Amino acid sequence: AQSVTQLDSQVPVFEEAPVELRCNYSSSVSVYLFWYVQYPNQGLQLLLKYLSGSTLVKGINGFEAEFNKSQTSFHLRKPSVHISDTAEYFCAVSVPSLQKLVFGTGTRLLVSP
Amino acid sequence: DVKVTQSSRYLVKRTGEKVFLECVQDMDHENMFWYRQDPGLGLRLIYFSYDVKMKEKGDIPEGYSVSREKKERFSLILESASTNQTSMYLCASSESRDVQFFGPGTRLTVL
Repeated sequence: AQSVTQLDSQVPVFEEAPVELRCNYSSSVSVYLFWYVQYPNQGLQLLLKYLSGSTLVKGINGFEAEFNKSQTSFHLRKPSVHISDTAEYFCAVSVPSLQKLVFGTGTRLLVSP
Repeated sequence: DVKVTQSSRYLVKRTGEKVFLECVQDMDHENMFWYRQDPGLGLRLIYFSYDVKMKEKGDIPEGYSVSREKKERFSLILESASTNQTSMYLCASSESRDVQFFGPGTRLTVL
């Protein structure tokens, strides 16, 4: 079975500072990896995904993530955050042969002026 | 753009009532999913469907059932609502085995 760990439940950061949201996964088979964002009172929106190929993946709104197979990690980064990035961020994995996603517990990013 | 809509944004029901949550997608997707989202627990899969009239249990199916009579519509049913089913319910759909597209969610309160 697959599992996802997001160790940080909340990350406070000042506007224009860099941020990294951590995600580690566990799986005995190859996986697809995703980051979703949830703005207040909305559903989830895809930020970026890793299926294969280049381990550095660029997404929307200036976010990027790097797949590290040896460390089973898929950390999300942004070099300079904005107030509007305040949201909850979810890391998820899926096994290519299955339709199901397994989500982490989420990290709330709080950007202050 | 893919659009996934859910019948209600907010719903208040009483213990023991039968509750229907409806989800409709407009992109002819094969797969549809129901999750519940609770603070500190992330999203947990209740049921999913990969075809009309087909359903599969997710990780927490107890107390729920589903119906998929048409490809675009996937209903979640709480046969007898209980207070521990107070939660945010999210519907999603997908075509391939990767990206899922989510609806805005229904916040259900059971009194």
